[in-house]
Amino acid sequence: DAMVIQNPRYQVTQFGKPVTLSCSQTLNHNVMYWYQQKSSQAPKLLFHYYDKDFNNEADTPDNFQSRRPNTSFCFLDIRSPGLGDAAMYLCATSRDLSGSNGYTFGSGTRLTVV
Amino acid sequence: GIQVEQSPPDLILQEGANSTLRCNFSDSVNNLQWFHQNPWGQLINLFYIPSGTKQNGRLSATTVATERYSLLYISSSQTTDSGVYFCAVGRNAGNMLTFGGGTRLMVKP
Repeated sequence: DAMVIQNPRYQVTQFGKPVTLSCSQTLNHNVMYWYQQKSSQAPKLLFHYYDKDFNNEADTPDNFQSRRPNTSFCFLDIRSPGLGDAAMYLCATSRDLSGSNGYTFGSGTRLTVV
Repeated sequence: GIQVEQSPPDLILQEGANSTLRCNFSDSVNNLQWFHQNPWGQLINLFYIPSGTKQNGRLSATTVATERYSLLYISSSQTTDSGVYFCAVGRNAGNMLTFGGGTRLMVKP
């Protein structure tokens, strides 16, 4: 089945130690998104790629970076994780920017910072 | 930016009951989606519905764009319907979605 896969499902990292989360898709969708969801809150968009074009939300901290080496893969890099970065990180895709086919989300990576 | 408010914030139902969830938004939109987040965190797209009415099994949704609200109906609720229901809207050229605060639903057997 076509899907969005996130690895790992759970990630524990040390305060200040760089960490990378990965997302892959078999849907051949043009747009990939990264959302951060803290406990009992709504998902918050960090950035998105439309094909190779990167779009950062204005309030996304510089500590967060992203790479999309090809259509299928997208990575979220946290350069120096702080305790406040502990959250669920959700990757999503859509066929195009209209979103008219709906968003498809991965299962998420729950990040713990110790 | 656009404001999205969902009500009620919490809802407890007995299995078999019906319910209506509401989403109000502060500006015109051209993208509106409903999602269900299960207890394990997986977000599932339920409807893309910037206007009109759609039905899928026991779920249906109606968006009245001119009055800036959308409703999600759940009929004959089941315990597997438990989780958080999010409404998300987009209005700019890129249609980036802004999520509401969600309605947390618990269906008791």
